[in-house]
Amino acid sequence: QKEVEQNSGPLSVPEGAIASLNCTYSDRVSQSFFWYRQYSGKSPELIMSIYSNGDKEDGRFTAQLNKASQYVSLLIRDSQPSDSATYLCAAPRRGATNKLIFGTGTLLAVQP
Amino acid sequence: DTAVSQTPKYLVTQMGNDKSIKCEQNLGHDTMYWYKQDSKKFLKIMFSYNNKELIINETVPNRFSPKSPDKAHLNLHINSLELGDSAVYFCASSQETGGNQPQHFGDGTRLSIL
Repeated sequence: QKEVEQNSGPLSVPEGAIASLNCTYSDRVSQSFFWYRQYSGKSPELIMSIYSNGDKEDGRFTAQLNKASQYVSLLIRDSQPSDSATYLCAAPRRGATNKLIFGTGTLLAVQP
Repeated sequence: DTAVSQTPKYLVTQMGNDKSIKCEQNLGHDTMYWYKQDSKKFLKIMFSYNNKELIINETVPNRFSPKSPDKAHLNLHINSLELGDSAVYFCASSQETGGNQPQHFGDGTRLSIL
């Protein structure tokens, strides 16, 4: 099982719809989770952090965390063509040296 | 003001050459990282330094040597470049080590080996 797993997509949604991006992780004791957006040819940009079970909202973005199911998701309401990008989920892995593990990303395409 | 800046943005060079990439952060963070993103877009950590000390060294060929002269700078030197080194290299920083803090990325250095 991959440490952080995402569906690579592409996930295609019409403009104005809700885009739902999902991520599962393997380390049960992970405490912090991050969503990054990466436009083609650009660097990853942090858009959401979530540390507690439940929902966290920031503008059109909502992150949802379920530690029991080891599942974290990102909802984008009123999707815009400018939201078209790859979304990377990241979670820490504990070990001899703790580090952040990134998923392979989900490509989101918002159709005008 | 750019928070994490890398130079150069593009690097095109011949196989066998030696090259360096520089990174600086002005966020006051203690920890800096080098990541490699390959053609499949997978972002993989290579090295991490906390306050000038190496704390993560993944299974990276020893042709890659990081150097941190102070906690605001982390450079990457690559010897005897190979075709498989072609990728985008990202520098990042975070307030602390451990993976519980968000990381902030530079714009990347696109390395192409001819």
